[in-house]
Amino acid sequence: EAGVTQSPTHLIKTRGQQATLRCSPISGHTSVYWYQQALGLGLQFLLWYDEGEERNRGNFPPRFSGRQFPNYSSELNVNALELEDSALYLCASSTLGALYNEQFFGPGTRLTVL
Amino acid sequence: AQSVTQLGSHVSVSEGALVLLRCNYSSSVPPYLFWYVQYPNQGLQLLLKYTSAATLVKGINGFEAEFKKSETSFHLTKPSAHMSDAAEYFCAVTGSARQLTFGSGTQLTVLP
Repeated sequence: EAGVTQSPTHLIKTRGQQATLRCSPISGHTSVYWYQQALGLGLQFLLWYDEGEERNRGNFPPRFSGRQFPNYSSELNVNALELEDSALYLCASSTLGALYNEQFFGPGTRLTVL
Repeated sequence: AQSVTQLGSHVSVSEGALVLLRCNYSSSVPPYLFWYVQYPNQGLQLLLKYTSAATLVKGINGFEAEFKKSETSFHLTKPSAHMSDAAEYFCAVTGSARQLTFGSGTQLTVLP
């Protein structure tokens, strides 16, 4: 069974540009989570989507947004890029069910903002 | 709200020695606790999770953790370290919210 996939692997942008990151969850999983892993800041929750709806978001500005498509894949958009947006962006998927259901992580997209 | 604190950002052990990685949690509701491992340039892999079914939880690769409510701890242990255990380890918690709240991570180095 295929795991969570993310594209692209690496993305280089300049300040002010927009970045789009993509995630395909494990087949059968309806929930997709986005996390940011920035140097010195650790792993922080960004967004949670389930059944096409945004269910919760972390403490990030509105220029971080996303969506979930009918096939449950998801897109993370970051507008007006800033240098501090440079980070590894991890996507995870799970079934909705219990709060302790495992989240399966993809390999991440490394975003570099110059 | 929930949070976890990992004591020790870097831990070094000799191959064959006991691995002990510390995690303390804070939660206003019964927590669900997780340990994840991250190898260089990879995503996170679940090692084990506490779901209130049993206080001693056994995971993959010989790791285990014990939930101690009185100490608000969920420390990760492995009796004998292997070179392949070198990685970064994250403790995480969910409770009232579905998303994971992570600790700051512990980098484990295994010395030959």
